[in-house]
Amino acid sequence: DAKTTQPPSMDCAEGRAANLPCNHSTISGNEYVYWYRQIHSQGPQYIIHGLKNNETNEMASLIITEDRKSSTLILPHATLRDTAVYYCIVRINSGGSNYKLTFGKGTLLTVNP
Amino acid sequence: GAVVSQHPSWVICKSGTSVKIECRSLDFQATTMFWYRQFPKQSLMLMATSNEGSKATYEQGVEKDKFLINHASLTLSTLTVTSAHPEDSSFYICSASTAVIGAFFGQGTRLTVV
Repeated sequence: DAKTTQPPSMDCAEGRAANLPCNHSTISGNEYVYWYRQIHSQGPQYIIHGLKNNETNEMASLIITEDRKSSTLILPHATLRDTAVYYCIVRINSGGSNYKLTFGKGTLLTVNP
Repeated sequence: GAVVSQHPSWVICKSGTSVKIECRSLDFQATTMFWYRQFPKQSLMLMATSNEGSKATYEQGVEKDKFLINHASLTLSTLTVTSAHPEDSSFYICSASTAVIGAFFGQGTRLTVV
């Protein structure tokens, strides 16, 4: 199972872009990179996922390096409500179409006014 | 995104009693559901994986007789904490998923055993 490494915490000014890095150097070819975030005392919220191409949706952009060993989640204009713990997860294929999501410690992003 | 409803959002129970937590996927059919627990200031810890119609697969160290998981349909899974004790107090979170759309999480259940 590929593991991920994230910085424990980051700060960002409101209105600026937040760039959250993630290392997944042991990722295998059929594993996706998923990003979730968790605001205090709530369930995790899906943000975005990708395999090898860069992805963008209404919440964020995901940049995956060509060798797929790392990725960056970009929140283009961070707001105070984006303060949360962000988790980078590599999807583990535990057989067939089944898989499980195992969480690391994540990055606590604090957006400051 | 897909909606997963978890109920109750919080519960207080007496030591020795059992508590059932429900997890429903409201607008999609979930082939797989996951159950997690989370202690304060810690990450989510996977407890078990359940597939519709089959027995749950428990992670190492999780007592299957204490944490009963039922996944009777593609939209409903339940977690029953049997003979709860204060050390079982935690934040329990479910996730419903398919291979196509990924995994979505419930709001979580705060269990307090007194």
